[in-house]
Amino acid sequence: QVQLQESGPGLVKPSETLSLTCSVSDDSISSYYWSWIRQPPGKGLEWIGFIFNDGRSSYNPSLKSRVNIRIDTSKNRFSLKLNSVTAADTAVYYCARGFPFDLWGRGTLVTVSS
Amino acid sequence: QSALTQPASVSGSPGQSITISCTGTTSDVGSYNYLSWYQQHPGRAPKLIIHAVDNRPSEVSNRFSGSKSGNTASLTISGLQAEDEADYYCCSYTTSDTYVFGTGTKVTVL
Repeated sequence: QVQLQESGPGLVKPSETLSLTCSVSDDSISSYYWSWIRQPPGKGLEWIGFIFNDGRSSYNPSLKSRVNIRIDTSKNRFSLKLNSVTAADTAVYYCARGFPFDLWGRGTLVTVSS
Repeated sequence: QSALTQPASVSGSPGQSITISCTGTTSDVGSYNYLSWYQQHPGRAPKLIIHAVDNRPSEVSNRFSGSKSGNTASLTISGLQAEDEADYYCCSYTTSDTYVFGTGTKVTVL
C-alpha cells in the first residue's frame, strides 16, 4: 500500500525558509499530481500548491510569491520551499496525492519561532 | 481566491440525517464537477469521502452522499453515528488552475 511521509525541520526562524520533503513509498510519483496542504493549529485546511512529473506547477495566489514546489522522480519524492516565513506560517503541513486528494501523509508540524 | 463557505457547525442525534453546504462562485464550484469532501478526526489527516460531487470511494460508508446545484455543493450524512463526529471540508478546482478548500464544518453527534 502506497504511503506518503513528510520530513523536515519542525522549527524555523522568522524570515528564514521552510523546507519539507514528501517521500512516496513506490514509483507511482510519475503518474499523479502531488500537492502540499497546510493547517494552522485549530484552523482549516489551506491548499498551497501542486506539481506534476513534467514540472508543471500551480500555487495558491496568496502564497505564490514565496512558494516553490519541485519533484524528483528518480528519488520518488517532491519538496516544498516557503521563504520569508512568519508566525502565520506555523501549521501542520501535509503532502497529498492527486485530485481528489485520495492519499495523505500523516502531516508534520512546523513552528515558526525565534 | 476566497475559501468556500461552509457552516461552522452542524449537529444531529444518532440516526438522523444532516446536510452540510459548501458555497462557492462561478469560478470554482459552479464551473466544474471537481468537487470533493474530506472528513478529519482530531489529530488525524483528512480522509477523502466524496469525489466528483457525488462519487464515493468503495471503502466509504453509503451513509455519505453528495450533490451540487449551481454554486453550492452539499454533503449529506444519513443515519448519523457517533463515529461521524468530526470536521468536514469541501474542496473545488478553480478556473485559475488552483484548488480551494471550504472553511470547514464541525459535526457534533448529540
